Amino acid sequence: DIQLTQSPSFLSASVGDRVTITCRASQAINNYLAWYQQRPGKAPNLLIYLASTLQSGVPSRFSGSGSETEFTLTISSLRPEDFTTYYCQLLKDQHTFGQGTKLEIK
Amino acid sequence: QVQLVQSGAEVKKPGASVKISCKASGDTLTAYYIHWVRQAPGQGLEWLGWVNPNTDEIRFPQKFQGRINMTRDTSVSTAYLELTSLTSDDTAVYYCAKDLKLGACDFWGQGTLVTVSS
Repeated sequence: DIQLTQSPSFLSASVGDRVTITCRASQAINNYLAWYQQRPGKAPNLLIYLASTLQSGVPSRFSGSGSETEFTLTISSLRPEDFTTYYCQLLKDQHTFGQGTKLEIK
Repeated sequence: QVQLVQSGAEVKKPGASVKISCKASGDTLTAYYIHWVRQAPGQGLEWLGWVNPNTDEIRFPQKFQGRINMTRDTSVSTAYLELTSLTSDDTAVYYCAKDLKLGACDFWGQGTLVTVSS
């Protein structure tokens, strides 16, 4: 089975910062990756799919890139509502999720 | 716009089964895959499987072989997840979600808390 490993698991940053979260796949997966944001007590919210396609309604400060085994989610200028948890997900086979990255206010 | 509304919280004893419903409005269940995902308390997301809207084929991780089933009743626009032989490890919030593209899900149910406790 393909494994997804996110880094870092915890990230401290300030409002206005630019941050990047990485998701590494244990095998090449082309561009079959999605990114979600999840706030406490809420369902996940789709941000990016097929590695770099911005989901409708998602602010343009979110962007995704990468292919095969290494992917990144970048938030260009953090807003207060962005401090929460992010997951990557494999878009094939077992649809595995990464373990999550919790973004905290510094 | 699709809305997915799930059934309410459940408390089950070890060894029991649970069946969760996910009712769709705003679109029909025949148009897209439905995925199921769960999240144990304080933990990450775990994909449980999908049901194919055209064939009723289901796909799920091998670890659930023999104790998971996913069905749908298009007459009432409702999908179901059934999990049997419950243990405390199955305590989690269970979500249904609509597939947008290859497993990326754009609409989610509100979640159903299943608590397994003796």
